[in-house]
Amino acid sequence: GNSVTQMEGPVTLSEEAFLTINCTYTATGYPSLFWYVQYPGEGLQLLLKATKADDKGSNKGFEATYRKETTSFHLEKGSVQVSDSAVYFCALSDFIQGAQKLVFGQGTRLTINP
Amino acid sequence: SAVISQKPSRDICQRGTSLTIQCQVDSQVTMMFWYRQQPGQSLTLIATANQGSEATYESGFVIDKFPISRPNLTFSTLTVSNMSPEDSSIYLCSVEDRAPWGAWGYEQYFGPGTRLTVT
Repeated sequence: GNSVTQMEGPVTLSEEAFLTINCTYTATGYPSLFWYVQYPGEGLQLLLKATKADDKGSNKGFEATYRKETTSFHLEKGSVQVSDSAVYFCALSDFIQGAQKLVFGQGTRLTINP
Repeated sequence: SAVISQKPSRDICQRGTSLTIQCQVDSQVTMMFWYRQQPGQSLTLIATANQGSEATYESGFVIDKFPISRPNLTFSTLTVSNMSPEDSSIYLCSVEDRAPWGAWGYEQYFGPGTRLTVT
């Protein structure tokens, strides 16, 4: 079945550092890919998405490119802030029986120190 | 984009009891989903709930343990029955709704979650 594998955490960086969180997937067909973020004490929020190969999703300075040849969707940010501290989930959507079902990676906890 | 609320936000329950979690959406949506997030783990889909039909459960989840109601297009409940400490998790409701203006297709929006502790 479809699956998502994320870089193990926790990840700790200093403010203004460069961030990469790796995400690879296994899927039949052509899923859409997502990054969700969960800030402390809050629910999941969609951060960015890409719906087809070579698409780049971007939001709040974060970017991820849908790479079909390497089945990857790595999350990057050039200069992180303390407010980026959160848990990040990579996910793919699987269209089954008329519904877009999400399959999540295990999550990566990111802590940014001032 | 849909705004979702859940009640209760958290609860501590004794083993053997049941808890019903409510999910309210501010707009009419066809697809609603219930997820479980066990401590330190990722999200796992429990079931898909469409209005007017029986919920569809994922492998490893059964209706007797997690009965779901979907009486209309803005509301759903999930009951965690005969609880044990292994049911301690965050339970999240999500809906599929149109992406914000300018974006393509549909997106899933999540509620804030219900943190359940079973003692």
